[in-house]
Amino acid sequence: SYELTQPSSVSVSPGQTVRITCSGDILAKKYARWFHQKPGQAPVMVIFKDSERPSGIPERFSGSRSGTTVTLTISGAQVEDEADYYCFSTSGDIDWVFGGGTKLTVL
Amino acid sequence: QVQLVQSGAEVKKPGASVKVSCKASGDTIVGYYMHWVRQAPGQGLEWMGWINPNSGDTRNAQNFQGRVSMTRDTSISTAYMELNSLKSDDTAVYYCAREGMSTIDWGQGTLVTVSS
Repeated sequence: SYELTQPSSVSVSPGQTVRITCSGDILAKKYARWFHQKPGQAPVMVIFKDSERPSGIPERFSGSRSGTTVTLTISGAQVEDEADYYCFSTSGDIDWVFGGGTKLTVL
Repeated sequence: QVQLVQSGAEVKKPGASVKVSCKASGDTIVGYYMHWVRQAPGQGLEWMGWINPNSGDTRNAQNFQGRVSMTRDTSISTAYMELNSLKSDDTAVYYCAREGMSTIDWGQGTLVTVSS
């Protein structure tokens, strides 16, 4: 089965830039998406197709790819960005594969 | 915009079954794959499987083979996930998620607690 690997935690000071990586062989063939999830809430997608931003997501969120590693960048992190971040992709055409999640602390 | 409303929290004994519903309001479930994802307390997201509401076709993650059943009733825009032979480590929040081209709409989650 496919795996996606993320760091378990990262921290950033408010206003600074933070990057969260996600690596996996499946990314050689498939796009990545990124979610954030705050405690007690459902996930919210912040990036799809590696680097596209859904409507309503702030411009400080961006995505990029290099080979089988994708990166979520938050430029000028805000306190409200503190959350768990998950990358995920698809196996086959439709099956989902999640990364283990990264806890982002903004302090 | 669609809103996915899930059924309420459940408490079940080991060995029992649970059926969680996910009703779409503001749109139909037809035309979009519906996925089910769970999250155990303090843990990450785990994909369980999907149903194609148009055809009723389903595919389940290997971890749940033989234990999960996904169905739908398109007349009431509702998808269902039933998990059998519950164990204590099935205690989790269960989410439905409708996959669009550039969006994923999530239900609010249903807490299922398995305890003797």
